[in-house]
Amino acid sequence: SQQGEEDPQALSIQEGENATMNCSYKTSINNLQWYRQNSGRGLVHLILIRSNEREKHSGRLRVTLDTSKKSSSLLITASRAADTASYFCATLNTGGFKTIFGAGTRLFVKA
Amino acid sequence: NAGVTQTPKFQVLKTGQSMTLQCAQDMNHNSMYWYRQDPGMGLRLIYYSASEGTTDKGEVPNGYNVSRLNKREFSLRLESAAPSQTSVYFCASSEQGPGDQPQHFGDGTRLSIL
Repeated sequence: SQQGEEDPQALSIQEGENATMNCSYKTSINNLQWYRQNSGRGLVHLILIRSNEREKHSGRLRVTLDTSKKSSSLLITASRAADTASYFCATLNTGGFKTIFGAGTRLFVKA
Repeated sequence: NAGVTQTPKFQVLKTGQSMTLQCAQDMNHNSMYWYRQDPGMGLRLIYYSASEGTTDKGEVPNGYNVSRLNKREFSLRLESAAPSQTSVYFCASSEQGPGDQPQHFGDGTRLSIL
């Protein structure tokens, strides 16, 4: 069963615009991670946020976590055509041993 | 750095055939994982190996077996392939895991069962 569910399923924006993707989950978590997957490639880790953190930045990426709402968002600022990819959230449940991935958001950035 | 290497990249099998997917990592990671990715389903964990010499079932282990051959290598075997096993298979590794460790992925094996 999937823990994280991303929203929207697909997103199309112009280069230079910001892209926001959301992830909701069902049970208490230790941490939440975001990954990127380019077409035909494996997943690449972007950022990890722990359950006691509320916001984290990495370059043009900003991740927020709201444990009361069981949700997280990934913001990509000033998007580029190279950001075109699928983005997945992944959660590690409290006391769990396995990371569970959502179905992903497909982002298309038009040049 | 090669990172995580999977072989083969593509494979077509007939129902009932067997095959082994190979995975090797050169990052000296302790934990390794096998996932399958199906359209609209995200990644689902098949088996994982927390450390050399140990393996455990994930979410969808039926029809698969694994071997942690040594610290570097973790193979996935389909004993009698079925069309429902048509998927993209990803191997991943992490330093310890899963915990607070990011996972490093190979580029996948695209497997079709006819």
